[in-house]
Amino acid sequence: NAGVTQTPKFRILKIGQSMTLQCAQDMNHNYMYWYRQDPGMGLKLIYYSVGAGITDKGEVPNGYNVSRSTTEDFPLRLELAAPSQTSVYFCASSSPKSSYNEQFFGPGTRLTVL
Amino acid sequence: GEDVEQSLFLSVREGDSSVINCTYTDSSSTYLYWYKQEPGAGLQLLTYIFSNMDMKQDQRLTVLLNKKDKHLSLRIADTQTGDSAIYFCAESRPGGGNKLTFGTGTQLKVEL
Repeated sequence: NAGVTQTPKFRILKIGQSMTLQCAQDMNHNYMYWYRQDPGMGLKLIYYSVGAGITDKGEVPNGYNVSRSTTEDFPLRLELAAPSQTSVYFCASSSPKSSYNEQFFGPGTRLTVL
Repeated sequence: GEDVEQSLFLSVREGDSSVINCTYTDSSSTYLYWYKQEPGAGLQLLTYIFSNMDMKQDQRLTVLLNKKDKHLSLRIADTQTGDSAIYFCAESRPGGGNKLTFGTGTQLKVEL
């Protein structure tokens, strides 16, 4: 199993550009999450999904969109990139069958908006 | 508020014990977690504790939970250079979806 994979690893965007961060998991997990990590701020939840076709906002959803057309994939879309979106983005997944709700993380995408 | 708080940095000598502290906010959290993040990588679950427990030991790791004070700690015995990383505490959040609230992270530096 590859676990949770994310592409790209790094990206530089200009202000106003758009892009999609890809996330996939091969563990058949129903739950998937997008976080952003800023220095000294921990991880903040952007969006999450409890299954295909179901998404919901987290703490910091503004400027982002998600979709969940399959169990495996959970892409994150930035429509009009802003410098405030410079961050490291992590995707994670978990199973509702887990007895202690462990989340499994991808390796992250480092995004810089200039 | 919903902040889970940790000190930002901790430096210890190799072989000493490390204690990383966390205060959380939600008294209804079912589980509390410690995640480890090595440089350039994602987070990995290190250990967890169920909210009705006071202590959990797992090899070199000891987790202590004080529910009254909403205080969680992680003790690493015989700290090694490979333990250098950022450590995040996290609490489970209500409302389904296995959501977590993470602390700010503590960067542990182990010196020779």
